[in-house]
Amino acid sequence: DAKTTQPPSMDCAEGRAANLPCNHSTISGNEYVYWYRQIHSQGPQYIIHGLKNNETNEMASLIITEDRKSSTLILPHATLRDTAVYYCIVRPKYNNNDMRFGAGTRLTVKP
Amino acid sequence: DTGVSQDPRHKITKRGQNVTFRCDPISEHNRLYWYRQTLGQGPEFLTYFQNEAQLEKSRLLSDRFSAERPKGSFSTLEIQRTEQGDSAMYLCASSLDLSGGETQYFGPGTRLLVL
Repeated sequence: DAKTTQPPSMDCAEGRAANLPCNHSTISGNEYVYWYRQIHSQGPQYIIHGLKNNETNEMASLIITEDRKSSTLILPHATLRDTAVYYCIVRPKYNNNDMRFGAGTRLTVKP
Repeated sequence: DTGVSQDPRHKITKRGQNVTFRCDPISEHNRLYWYRQTLGQGPEFLTYFQNEAQLEKSRLLSDRFSAERPKGSFSTLEIQRTEQGDSAMYLCASSLDLSGGETQYFGPGTRLLVL
C-alpha cells in the first residue's frame, strides 16, 4: 500500500499557482518524498524530490513541513499542459526499488 | 523524452497467446524496473534488475510472466498464455544506482489489450 494520502482531484486556473498537498504521516527519517506526474497515456515523469529541506527546480517547488508529515508540490504558473495525475511517493533513501504509487491527484488546469 | 524507450507502444492479442515487450533503458543505467498499471490506478512494481541479475519479483508476477536482461542492457518481459486480466499498461523505468538511492526514469509504456 502507498504510504501517502492525496486528494483524488483538483482544479486550477491557467496562469495561477497549483498547490498539490500530500500527507505522509508515517514517514521515517531516511525516506525521501518524490513527486511524479503522468499525462494521459504517457509514462510517469519525474518532477522533484526532497528529504527535509524545500527544493526548487525548473518545473516545480517542493515544500516539506518541519515535522515532515506532509508536503506540497507547487507549480508556480500552471498551464493547460500541466493537466495530469500527480503522484506523491515516499521512498527509502537507499532503496529506490521500493516505490509505491497510490492513485494520485488528478489536476485539471482550466482556461 | 526521458531516454527510456519501449516497444511496441500498443499490442492487441487474443487470450491464450504469448506476448513479448522490450525496454531499452537510458544508456549505462544499471538498474531496470518493470511496472504494471491498470486503469485508474498508479503503477505497481513487478520486478527489477541490477545489471543482468533479477533481484526482486513482486507477487503480482505470476509464473506466466518472465523477464530477462541478458546482457545488462535492454530487457524483455514475456507473458505466456495471456488472460483478459493481463490487459494493462506495462511500464519500464531505469536508474543509475551507485548507492541505491537514485531517481527512476520511466519509458512511455506498452499498452496491452487482451481480447
